[in-house]
Amino acid sequence: DAGVIQSPRHEVTEMGQEVTLRCKPISGHDYLFWYRQTMMRGLELLIYFNNNVPIDDSGMPEDRFSAKMPNASFSTLKIQPSEPRDSAVYFCASSPGLAGGSEQYFGPGTRLTVT
Amino acid sequence: GENVEQHPSTLSVQEGDSAVIKCTYSDSASNYFPWYKQELGKRPQLIIDIRSNVGEKKDQRIAVTLNKTAKHFSLHITETQPEDSAVYFCAASRRGSTLGRLYFGRGTQLTVWP
Repeated sequence: DAGVIQSPRHEVTEMGQEVTLRCKPISGHDYLFWYRQTMMRGLELLIYFNNNVPIDDSGMPEDRFSAKMPNASFSTLKIQPSEPRDSAVYFCASSPGLAGGSEQYFGPGTRLTVT
Repeated sequence: GENVEQHPSTLSVQEGDSAVIKCTYSDSASNYFPWYKQELGKRPQLIIDIRSNVGEKKDQRIAVTLNKTAKHFSLHITETQPEDSAVYFCAASRRGSTLGRLYFGRGTQLTVWP
């Protein structure tokens, strides 16, 4: 298995532009998580899905952030418009759920820089 | 919601010494406590976890202890090696009929000097 796949690995954009981050979870995993990591705030959960349905989006900073999971093998996190304070590493993680042991498998991350 | 606090934020030890990282949690209903290791520029990876019906769990040089009454849990690394240098995150979760979210601590930067 290739593991969790994220794209792009690096993104540099200007303030005000739309940014779309993509994630392909491990096949068969029922849960998908989006995290943001910064030095100031550490590892923050933004949103997570169970069987493609959003369960908890309380970590989404504001209306500029949105996430979708149209099917079991694909999810997007969109920021529109982007701001310099959105600069961070964004991780996607997937988990098989309780039956599979609960471990979250993280993707390699997308390093976003907003200038 | 749950609040997980982790100490210390940085820890330096000599190779061969032991390292201990401590976490506390606030939600008495939390029942699953994993530890993740993140090497520089890499993704977090699970290294060990413990459930609330167990007081201690070991895996070679690492061990985790849990005190449900005091609501704290700790990671112990013995015979540390330079490759143990990384950021370690503790987390807490409430697992019921479904998988709950993880609440992470702020992380501990462990440096092992040769």
